[in-house]
Amino acid sequence: DTEVTQTPKHLVMGMTNKKSLKCEQHMGHRAMYWYKQKAKKPPELMFVYSYEKLSINESVPSRFSPECPNSSLLNLHLHALQPEDSALYLCASSQESLSNSPLHFGNGTRLTVT
Amino acid sequence: RKEVEQDPGPFNVPEGATVAFNCTYSNSASQSFFWYRQDCRKEPKLLMSVYSSGNEDGRFTAQLNRASQYISLLIRDSKLSDSATYLCVVNGGSSNTGKLIFGQGTTLQVKP
Repeated sequence: DTEVTQTPKHLVMGMTNKKSLKCEQHMGHRAMYWYKQKAKKPPELMFVYSYEKLSINESVPSRFSPECPNSSLLNLHLHALQPEDSALYLCASSQESLSNSPLHFGNGTRLTVT
Repeated sequence: RKEVEQDPGPFNVPEGATVAFNCTYSNSASQSFFWYRQDCRKEPKLLMSVYSSGNEDGRFTAQLNRASQYISLLIRDSKLSDSATYLCVVNGGSSNTGKLIFGQGTTLQVKP
């Protein structure tokens, strides 16, 4: 069982659609992350939130828009995506945004852009 | 040179074998090291943190060699269920940026 939950598990969207990915954790962690993973590649960091504030944006295109409504929730808003954005999107949390804290990943959302 | 390097494999071993993976890192200031396991089409799961003195969890042993800047994972008595990709994760340096760097992963296939 994962303590970080993501919804939906699968998402198919057209290039003109707007959709959102959701992530929730109840471990009291103060840092939350979005990663993108393509097949046979390691996860690639997109965003880091620390104490509900965006602390790292890895030069992600603006068609991806993160939001952290509170310390337990993290959203990723998607708009005008491209087929190459199809990937597994992983949410993670850690105790602090200190890199000595291990990451706890959610199950991921498998996104297909048509 | 990549910041974190792993031999992608695949490592094909019979059940019961002992197998070891190494992972080298480039930043001598790195302080935190982890091994994750990822099954096909699943999320990465923390296998173990790696401590300076080395640590063991059942059939799994992790070691850190700071002088040569590598960490290792030893799996004894391999099971079919150990088949997965093993990701080495290292923090990017001494500053608390929250950035952990992933290796490319090493694929292990345990055969009956």
